[in-house]
Amino acid sequence: DADVTQTPRNRITKTGKRIMLECSQTKGHDRMYWYRQDPGLGLQLIYYSFDVKDINKGEISDGYSVSRQAQAKFSLSLESAIPNQTALYFCATSDLSGGGPKADRGHGYTFGSGTRLTVV
Amino acid sequence: QKEVEQNSGPLSVPEGAIASLNCTYSDRGSQSFFWYRQYSGKSPELIMSIYSNGDKEDGRFTAQLNKASQYVSLLIRDSQPSDSATYLCAVNLMNRDDKIIFGKGTRLHILP
Repeated sequence: DADVTQTPRNRITKTGKRIMLECSQTKGHDRMYWYRQDPGLGLQLIYYSFDVKDINKGEISDGYSVSRQAQAKFSLSLESAIPNQTALYFCATSDLSGGGPKADRGHGYTFGSGTRLTVV
Repeated sequence: QKEVEQNSGPLSVPEGAIASLNCTYSDRGSQSFFWYRQYSGKSPELIMSIYSNGDKEDGRFTAQLNKASQYVSLLIRDSQPSDSATYLCAVNLMNRDDKIIFGKGTRLHILP
């Protein structure tokens, strides 16, 4: 089984619909992230969570919401989907920071396989 | 202001040659640097991390870091067609809640 699992893998939805993307992990990591990727724009951070009670907005949080149901689960919701939210969405996890003084620096992020979302 | 910059490519390299991928970053406080490989439609995969100035080698891959110049590079020796992918440079910006910032990636094409 994959360490970071995203569901669904592909989804087509209509404009105005609410949709939830789910992410679960077996790595035991505290930190979880949601990114979207558009051609030519790279990875853009939507939301991130350092633990169950710590949720933070990323660069492009408008139109999205998240829920950290447990250490292992982090869901992303599009409240009212619009066509420009068509993208590839990735969940990622990390155990500690990428480089703080107490961090295990060697891991970076582990990504899920992604969800390809199309809003028509 | 762009924080992590990469040439988008495509960079075409003959099979068996050395591929050189470059990245610059803007935050002098950055301490951790990563290279990810991403095949089309797939998720990024961590292939190298580096924290100290100099070279770090792992198989056919060598990461190079020069903090004074704010420059990090990835060399791929004996390039194979399977190395054809987009390579993402990522930097930990210590002043941004310890998040990792990604460059937009360089597309590498290995010519058989």
